[in-house]
Amino acid sequence: SQTIHQWPATLVQPVGSPLSLECTVEGTSNPNLYWYRQAAGRGLQLLFYSVGIGQISSEVPQNLSASRPQDRQFILSSKKLLLSDSGFYLCAWGEEEAFFGQGTRLTVV
Amino acid sequence: LAKTTQPISMDSYEGQEVNITCSHNNIATNDYITWYQQFPSQGPRFIIQGYKTKVTNEVASLFIPADRKSSTLSLPRVSLSDTAVYYCLVGVLYNTDKLIFGTGTRLQVFP
Repeated sequence: SQTIHQWPATLVQPVGSPLSLECTVEGTSNPNLYWYRQAAGRGLQLLFYSVGIGQISSEVPQNLSASRPQDRQFILSSKKLLLSDSGFYLCAWGEEEAFFGQGTRLTVV
Repeated sequence: LAKTTQPISMDSYEGQEVNITCSHNNIATNDYITWYQQFPSQGPRFIIQGYKTKVTNEVASLFIPADRKSSTLSLPRVSLSDTAVYYCLVGVLYNTDKLIFGTGTRLQVFP
């Protein structure tokens, strides 16, 4: 069966520090992968999606970037975090339906 | 994916049936309708998916009229644990690159 792993679960980082969030999927090949952000009490905002290795599409201009170095690995990064980058980050993969990781709560202080 | 419109929030009491309607006027012929449930600090979870008429599983029912421009998620006899945000998504997931969620409906169930 397919599983999705996302870590860390929580993260507190100072402004200006780098960020790396990792997501891996097991049990499927060549999945569509997604990164979302959810601000407190708000809906899900699509940040990046990828249909294959090295193929990244960005939905909104921002301080973040994404990479897909392997088929089932999706990484969200930032060189310098801003206060506005705080939020709940979710990785997902999907075919007929979407499957989400448990999320990373990022607090930038 | 077609744009969707849902009520921002709904209140209910335990044991009642809850119906949440989603409007999707621009739904395409090949689009399916999918509903997700999200609890605080968790990722959304698939509830039900349908194309037309009625679909029922162990959790919910999905009613889709003939014109498919709207759909209704029906939760029978809700409990406190059904308090969550419910999202409606329209599209053919395996035929598109994107998963775009709307604002969702925040359901609050009271004792």
